Amino acid sequence: GQNIDQPTEMTATEGAIVQINCTYQTSGFNGLFWYQQHAGEAPTFLSYNVLDGLEEKGRFSSFLSRSKGYSYLLLKELQMKDSASYLCAVRDQNAGNMLTFGGGTRLMVKP
Amino acid sequence: NAGVTQTPKFRILKIGQSMTLQCTQDMNHNYMYWYRQDPGMGLKLIYYSVGAGITDKGEVPNGYNVSRSTTEDFPLRLELAAPSQTSVYFCASSYPTSGANTGELFFGEGSRLTVL
Repeated sequence: GQNIDQPTEMTATEGAIVQINCTYQTSGFNGLFWYQQHAGEAPTFLSYNVLDGLEEKGRFSSFLSRSKGYSYLLLKELQMKDSASYLCAVRDQNAGNMLTFGGGTRLMVKP
Repeated sequence: NAGVTQTPKFRILKIGQSMTLQCTQDMNHNYMYWYRQDPGMGLKLIYYSVGAGITDKGEVPNGYNVSRSTTEDFPLRLELAAPSQTSVYFCASSYPTSGANTGELFFGEGSRLTVL
């Protein structure tokens, strides 16, 4: 089985930087995804890490350490529209390469 | 390009009723999935399919059935609706992971189901 943990809620200020952590335990790690989900909408893909290190995509970056079972999503220059839930998901090759999602982190950006 | 289309978007059922949630994708993806999301929670995998004619149980399959007769369609059937099945249901599709392809999931807009 898998265990994926991320904080339930976070609050940050517009223009600031926020880091959302995700820890996981899995027997056959084969990639980690971050999705953004606005209230009442479908999740949309943000980033993918399969090797250790940092992947940067504009204001968003995602980091992975496989030895520590740890990832974070870094959001810079926060905007009000970044208020959403951020879902960490891990793919397990011992589970048919299916994704298992964490509970999501609800981020509130304040003016 | 429509992507993943789900119908209906909203439905209210009485306990014991049956219904089918429809899902179709036009991206020629091999893999299709059904997830449910309870309020404030992550996504739980109900069933998935790696190709036409092949389906498999996910984490929470009880009370549901699926079929995959074509690459495009992956309907989810609730046979005897129960209040515990009140949730938002998301259909998704993807390519298999290979080479530069991450195998990311593309989601439909969701179907909000209430069982009373």
